Amino acid sequence: SQQGEEDPQALSIQEGENATMNCSYKTSINNLQWYRQNSGRGLVHLILIRSNEREKHSGRLRVTLDTSKKSSSLLITASRAADTASYFCATAQGGSEKLVFGKGTKLTVNP
Amino acid sequence: SAVISQKPSRDICQRGTSLTIQCQVDSQVTMMFWYRQQPGQSLTLIATANQGSEATYESGFVIDKFPISRPNLTFSTLTVSNMSPEDSSIYLCSAYRGFNEQFFGPGTRLTVL
Repeated sequence: SQQGEEDPQALSIQEGENATMNCSYKTSINNLQWYRQNSGRGLVHLILIRSNEREKHSGRLRVTLDTSKKSSSLLITASRAADTASYFCATAQGGSEKLVFGKGTKLTVNP
Repeated sequence: SAVISQKPSRDICQRGTSLTIQCQVDSQVTMMFWYRQQPGQSLTLIATANQGSEATYESGFVIDKFPISRPNLTFSTLTVSNMSPEDSSIYLCSAYRGFNEQFFGPGTRLTVL
C-alpha cells in the first residue's frame, strides 16, 4: 500500500529558485529515501536519511526528517533545468527492506 | 552503488502473450525486488525475488501472473503472463546490498495492445 504522500503533486519554478517537496508517512520507519525519475525512466537514488537523523546534505540537496510528525522534506537549491523530473520518497518499515513509495512530485524547472 | 541492467528496455506485445524481463546486477546482492509503475502512478512492489526459493508476493500479485526466478545472487527474471492492456506499465527491478540503499534498474516499458 502507498504510505508516503508527497506534496505538492506538481511544482513549476524558474531556474535558480529553490524547490521544496514534502513527504508524509504513516508508520514507524528505519529510513527514508528520496529518488528522482526522469521521464518515466529508471529511478536514481538521491539520498537516504536514517530514522535517528534529522538533516542531511548532498550537494544542492538538503533533506530533513521529523519522525514526530512523520514527515520529510527535500530541498533543491539553485535549481537547474536538468532538475526537471519526478521526485519520490520511499520508506522502509520495521526490519524489512521493502520500500513503500509516495505518489511523487513532478518538478518542472523553466529556463 | 550497484549497476543494474534490464532487458528489454521496452516492448510492445499482443494481448494473451507473455514477456520475460531480465535483471542483471554487476555484483552480488542480498535482495532483489520487482516493482510496477502504472502510467502516471508511483511504484508498487510486486514481489521479493528470493535466491534459490520461491518469490514472496505482495497483496494483489500472484505467482501465476508474475512468475519470478532468481537462480543466483546477481540475476532475476520477471514474467508477465497472459498479458492484457491493463498490464501496460514500467517494470523495474531493484537490488539491495546492505547499508539500506536500494538501487534501481532503468526499467522495462511494456505496452500491451
